[in-house]
Amino acid sequence: GEDVEQSLFLSVREGDSSVINCTYTDSSSTYLYWYKQEPGAGLQLLTYIFSNMDMKQDQRLTVLLNKKDKHLSLRIADTQTGDSAIYFCAETDMNRDDKIIFGKGTRLHILP
Amino acid sequence: DAGITQSPRHKVTETGTPVTLRCHQTENHRYMYWYRQDPGHGLRLIHYSYGVKDTDKGEVSDGYSVSRSKTEDFLLTLESATSSQTSVYFCATKAGQGAKNIQYFGAGTRLSVL
Repeated sequence: GEDVEQSLFLSVREGDSSVINCTYTDSSSTYLYWYKQEPGAGLQLLTYIFSNMDMKQDQRLTVLLNKKDKHLSLRIADTQTGDSAIYFCAETDMNRDDKIIFGKGTRLHILP
Repeated sequence: DAGITQSPRHKVTETGTPVTLRCHQTENHRYMYWYRQDPGHGLRLIHYSYGVKDTDKGEVSDGYSVSRSKTEDFLLTLESATSSQTSVYFCATKAGQGAKNIQYFGAGTRLSVL
């Protein structure tokens, strides 16, 4: 079955870049997403990328997609304390595009 | 903000009692979803709806039922709550066409079953 894998924890010093990685199994994935969840809140879409793109940049966020290796990454430049959250990688379900499949989330901890 | 309101935000109940969680949206989105979030499991789909009175099961639907009598409301019912259903429940709606599945989430309901 389809699966989305990501590491559970990442610690980064304030001001450094954070890189959160994700691998997925569905080679026919069309859309891939990054969501952010702050404490006590629901998930919020950060960005998404279509499978015909290799990179997408939006201010401090850079998404890189390597379709050959089925690898997706999210880079946050100049990490701030407000970036402390859980980040979820997700892909559209190839069998039912009205569903998306989430990874388990990466908790980003910011060190002073 | 897609105008999604979940109620209640917190609930404590006893094993064996029925519980209904409500999700209300103001965006007129066709699709609505119920997820549960648990440590070590991430987000898992319980049920979803693709229109009024049209619903389908997700990966963890046992013990849960849903109803959607109006576009704006999607109810999740635990017929007889068990301790394993202690969790944080999120409602979401879908924007975007086809495979572009942008989901907007409510703030969640924290449910404790004692």
